[in-house]
Amino acid sequence: DAGVIQSPRHEVTEMGQEVTLRCKPISGHDYLFWYRQTMMRGLELLIYFNNNVPIDDSGMPEDRFSAKMPNASFSTLKIQPSEPRDSAVYFCASSFTGQGVTEAFFGQGTRLTVV
Amino acid sequence: GNSVTQMEGPVTLSEEAFLTINCTYTATGYPSLFWYVQYPGEGLQLLLKATKADDKGSNKGFEATYRKETTSFHLEKGSVQVSDSAVYFCALADRGSTLGRLYFGRGTQLTVWP
Repeated sequence: DAGVIQSPRHEVTEMGQEVTLRCKPISGHDYLFWYRQTMMRGLELLIYFNNNVPIDDSGMPEDRFSAKMPNASFSTLKIQPSEPRDSAVYFCASSFTGQGVTEAFFGQGTRLTVV
Repeated sequence: GNSVTQMEGPVTLSEEAFLTINCTYTATGYPSLFWYVQYPGEGLQLLLKATKADDKGSNKGFEATYRKETTSFHLEKGSVQVSDSAVYFCALADRGSTLGRLYFGRGTQLTVWP
């Protein structure tokens, strides 16, 4: 398997624009996570899904953020409208809980810069 | 609830020095414990794990022992290399109602000088 695939790797956008980040989890994994990493706040869990259903979105900073998982092989994180304080590295991760040990595999991340 | 506390960084060492990064946890059940490593510009990678008390996880010369009595999972390496420079994250996963979710510490930046 190619691992968790995120696109794009880098995104530069102007304030107010819509940004969509994409993630393809590892095939067969039943959990998918979206994280945000900044120097100030470290690694934050934004939202996670189990079998395509959102389980906990309490980490989503505000209504400008939304995430979907239309099927087991694809998820998006959308920011509309974007603001400079959204600049961060966004990671997607997936895991399989079939044997109870929830080891997560991370993508390479998307570095978002909002100017 | 579940949480992880790890030592504040940054940690700066000379090559071949001994490394310890402390990690303690709070959990409602019987968690699995992990150390992840993040190299510059990359995502997090699993370094090692332990799934029950007294288990020792090891990989690439790093070791950590699951100590239930002290709720700790300290990361150690006997002789660090420049290539070990990275950010290290301690994490736990519970088997209860939050099955599937990982709880991360804030990360410890390690810099190794030649």
